[in-house]
Amino acid sequence: AQSVTQLDSQVPVFEEAPVELRCNYSSSVSVYLFWYVQYPNQGLQLLLKYLSGSTLVESINGFEAEFNKSQTSFHLRKPSVHISDTAEYFCAVSEARGSARQLTFGSGTQLTVLP
Amino acid sequence: KAGVTQTPRYLIKTRGQQVTLSCSPISGHRSVSWYQQTPGQGLQFLFEYFSETQRNKGNFPGRFSGRQFSNSRSEMNVSTLELGDSALYLCASSELASGNTIYFGEGSWLTVV
Repeated sequence: AQSVTQLDSQVPVFEEAPVELRCNYSSSVSVYLFWYVQYPNQGLQLLLKYLSGSTLVESINGFEAEFNKSQTSFHLRKPSVHISDTAEYFCAVSEARGSARQLTFGSGTQLTVLP
Repeated sequence: KAGVTQTPRYLIKTRGQQVTLSCSPISGHRSVSWYQQTPGQGLQFLFEYFSETQRNKGNFPGRFSGRQFSNSRSEMNVSTLELGDSALYLCASSELASGNTIYFGEGSWLTVV
């Protein structure tokens, strides 16, 4: 079984400031890691994912996350946030095996970007 | 390609009633899974279907059930509704291999009164 901990439930930050949303996971097996974003009254959109290879993964809108196996972490960062980044962000894991498509989610971090 | 489509988007039901939610996956995706999202419990996995067979099931009572049709469309049913079943129900679809992106629909908002 896996579990995901998102250490901050709310993160307020001023526009153009950097931000880090923290995610730690626990698993007895190898996992894939994901960050999803949810805007108000919408479903989840994949932001980025780590499957294997380079531990630093990037999204098209400036977010990046680094997989740290020793610290079992997958923190999400952005060097300069915009008002439009205000949303809830979910970290998730799935077992790294061929038939596994079940996601275990963290409790979410509400990012609020202030003008 | 059209995304994952869920219907209805919003519905209100009375305690004791039952409800059926529908999901059309992305064309070509044969795996469909369902999640419940509530403020208290967060996002929880309900079940996953592949080729009309339930492959995995989360820790929910038997009142929650689902099925998948030959065209990969899926339905989930909740019987004998309770107030605590009020939630956003999210459907997701993906291709076969683990690690393939799991795409979510916009969800069905269920309110039980």
